[in-house]
Amino acid sequence: AQKITQTQPGMFVQEKEAVTLDCTYDTSDQSYGLFWYKQPSSGEMIFLIYQGSYDEQNATEGRYSLNFQKARKSANLVISASQLGDSAMYFCAMRELGGYQKVTFGTGTKLQVIP
Amino acid sequence: NAGVTQTPKFRILKIGQSMTLQCTQDMNHNYMYWYRQDPGMGLKLIYYSVGAGITDKGEVPNGYNVSRSTTEDFPLRLELAAPSQTSVYFCASMLVGGNQPQHFGDGTRLSIL
Repeated sequence: AQKITQTQPGMFVQEKEAVTLDCTYDTSDQSYGLFWYKQPSSGEMIFLIYQGSYDEQNATEGRYSLNFQKARKSANLVISASQLGDSAMYFCAMRELGGYQKVTFGTGTKLQVIP
Repeated sequence: NAGVTQTPKFRILKIGQSMTLQCTQDMNHNYMYWYRQDPGMGLKLIYYSVGAGITDKGEVPNGYNVSRSTTEDFPLRLELAAPSQTSVYFCASMLVGGNQPQHFGDGTRLSIL
């Protein structure tokens, strides 16, 4: 069974600073995908970044990067140059790439950016 | 470009009532999912579907039913609503493919009183 663990219920970061949100996962699958989503207070789920289990390079999307350490089974999200609009819940998710493509979510981290 | 559309956005039900949460997508995605999100928590999978006519249970299926008669629609039915089903419900769809994310609807906020 898949499991995603986000150990930081809440985080604070100063505006313009970088912040790392932790995510560890557990799976017996060899082929899987890791995703990060942002959920602002308005409630919608916004896709941020993807990392495949066979990707050798860490994924980057603008100010977002994913620090993927396969041996440690971690997929931490790094947000550079934090902005006030980054204040939100952040969810890590894993998807099995075979079978029924089931997706498992972590419990989330609430990030607050301080001016 | 509508994406995933959920209706209604808000609903209050009395204990024991039934209702159907509607979800439709216009992206021709095969995979569709229903999640519930309790306050301050992550998403828990209720049911999912890999194509028309094929559905399967997720983590928390009790008290819910689904059907998938078309690629576009994936309604979620609550029978005999209970206070424990008070939650925000999200529908999502996805293309098959390693780097394809789920596309989410805006959610339905449901209160059972």
